Amino acid sequence: DTAVSQTPKYLVTQMGNDKSIKCEQNLGHDTMYWYKQDSKKFLKIMFSYNNKELIINETVPNRFSPKSPDKAHLNLHINSLELGDSAVYFCASSQLSAGIDGYTFGSGTRLTVV
Amino acid sequence: ILNVEQSPQSLHVQEGDSTNFTCSFPSSNFYALHWYRWETAKSPEALFVMTLNGDEKKKGRISATLNTKEGYSYLYIKGSQPEDSATYLCAFPQGGSEKLVFGKGTKLTVNP
Repeated sequence: DTAVSQTPKYLVTQMGNDKSIKCEQNLGHDTMYWYKQDSKKFLKIMFSYNNKELIINETVPNRFSPKSPDKAHLNLHINSLELGDSAVYFCASSQLSAGIDGYTFGSGTRLTVV
Repeated sequence: ILNVEQSPQSLHVQEGDSTNFTCSFPSSNFYALHWYRWETAKSPEALFVMTLNGDEKKKGRISATLNTKEGYSYLYIKGSQPEDSATYLCAFPQGGSEKLVFGKGTKLTVNP
């Protein structure tokens, strides 16, 4: 059983489209995250939800909207995709405090906008 | 602003060599320091979480030390193997919060 699963693994789409990436964790963790691996391979946080509530919202364009229907799922919806949105997006989860427990990561979604 | 710095950026070693690399972080308000191993096309995997000054943790041939007073941690790999080739990330929870701030990583390549 995959602990944190993301779908799709690869996503190629045209500029201007709207797309979603799904994330599910079966670890019973309370907190879930979206990270973006930028062009310099740097992992940067985008959003965090704790038990369906938004707790971290970094400076991300409002074309990006996270949705958490329950604490096991955190989806990322992106409107009006731009070339610069091409990146690998990682979902992660943590139990209690990420500061102590750290993250369990999903395998990533490689988004290519053409 | 919280900075987590890792050096070197990349490292090439021969199979059997031992190696080490560094993570530097702000020493004030220390909470925890995380090490992750990230193989190409896979997801980062947790190696260690370190919380106490002077901590030393070990997992097989990989070990890590922590100095919270001077703000650095070393990761050591003894007798490197090709399967150790990966990017090694360190991360620091900003303000003890849920947000882990990652360094840019050290990319290790072990040549057979």
